[in-house]
Amino acid sequence: KNEVEQSPQNLTAQEGEFITINCSYSVGISALHWLQQHPGGGIVSLFMLSSGKKKHGRLIATINIQEKHSSLHITASHPRDSAVYICAVRGGADGLTFGKGTHLIIQP
Amino acid sequence: DTAVSQTPKYLVTQMGNDKSIKCEQNLGHDTMYWYKQDSKKFLKIMFSYNNKELIINETVPNRFSPKSPDKAHLNLHINSLELGDSAVYFCASSHGFQGLSGNTIYFGEGSWLTVV
Repeated sequence: KNEVEQSPQNLTAQEGEFITINCSYSVGISALHWLQQHPGGGIVSLFMLSSGKKKHGRLIATINIQEKHSSLHITASHPRDSAVYICAVRGGADGLTFGKGTHLIIQP
Repeated sequence: DTAVSQTPKYLVTQMGNDKSIKCEQNLGHDTMYWYKQDSKKFLKIMFSYNNKELIINETVPNRFSPKSPDKAHLNLHINSLELGDSAVYFCASSHGFQGLSGNTIYFGEGSWLTVV
């Protein structure tokens, strides 16, 4: 069974800072998802990656398959980016395995 | 229009009751899921349905049963509710299993279940 570790667990930063959230997993995967859970509880899928890098607005996600590691970056962070960011990996037939999330707070 | 909608959003009920949470998606997806998020905010998959066939059941107690009347709906029925069932339940959908083929998974807003 895949173990998914995220770091940091909690992150508080000032508006405008460059944010990096990391995700490591123990077993080879076919895809990795980054999810955003808003303070109200709703979950939004940000990216699905199987290799390389994807960019959407101020968000960038990268994955290194050999190192079993992915990062989510937020440029020019804003208070509305405050949320829990969850990494999830898909490997075998047991579906997605989720990390415990990174709680991000961006202060004005 | 909401892509994945769940009802009810909040549900408070007594131990031993039977309850259902409904989920509908208007995205034309062929796969739907139920996830449970516990008090520590940890998400785990419970069920997924692809073309009306159950393809995952993650050691969930048989008090939980998914019902899919058609491709656009996956309802969650829970019998004999227990205190430990209190959690947030998320419905989701995608093209293909777990967002394969580069397709995104879309989540509902969540249903907060409290068993007292």
